[in-house]
Amino acid sequence: DAMVIQNPRYQVTQFGKPVTLSCSQTLNHNVMYWYQQKSSQAPKLLFHYYDKDFNNEADTPDNFQSRRPNTSFCFLDIRSPGLGDAAMYLCATSHEVAGGSYNEQFFGPGTRLTVL
Amino acid sequence: AQSVTQLGSHVSVSEGALVLLRCNYSSSVPPYLFWYVQYPNQGLQLLLKYTTGATLVKGINGFEAEFKKSETSFHLTKPSAHMSDAAEYFCAVTSTQAGTALIFGKGTTLSVSS
Repeated sequence: DAMVIQNPRYQVTQFGKPVTLSCSQTLNHNVMYWYQQKSSQAPKLLFHYYDKDFNNEADTPDNFQSRRPNTSFCFLDIRSPGLGDAAMYLCATSHEVAGGSYNEQFFGPGTRLTVL
Repeated sequence: AQSVTQLGSHVSVSEGALVLLRCNYSSSVPPYLFWYVQYPNQGLQLLLKYTTGATLVKGINGFEAEFKKSETSFHLTKPSAHMSDAAEYFCAVTSTQAGTALIFGKGTTLSVSS
């Protein structure tokens, strides 16, 4: 089945120790998104890649970076995790056409990050 | 700017009872509207969506929602609740432009008792 895969499902890191979360997809979608969802809150978009073009949300902290080496993979790097970065991180994908209308986003199962 | 308000952070129903989860949106452009369900420690699963056309949309697991432009609402209903419906439900809005973010409401936790 075509799907969005996130690894690991659970990640524990230490305060200030860089961490990388991984997302891969077999849907061949050209857009990949990273959302942050803190406990009992709604998911909030951090940034997205439209093909190779990186689009950062205005209020995403500089501590969060992303890489997309190819269509299938996208990484979320947190350079110096703080206690406030503990959250569920959700990856999503969609297939978009320039000038076209919105298409459904497909979500992965998420990675729950704990910062000690 | 777009926003979503979900009325009631927690809704409790008995098994077999009607489920009604409320969602109101604000959008300066024609919206696309969605309901997602999230089970503990899992990602988001799309229940249903409204883009254009028929204002009453049917989704998976017996859920449906009606887009009411005059009321700026998109309430989610299910005639008869099952224990397996217990989860977090998110209403979301986006514009019709490709590549734009989903704006989520704060979520409603649905509890179902036997």
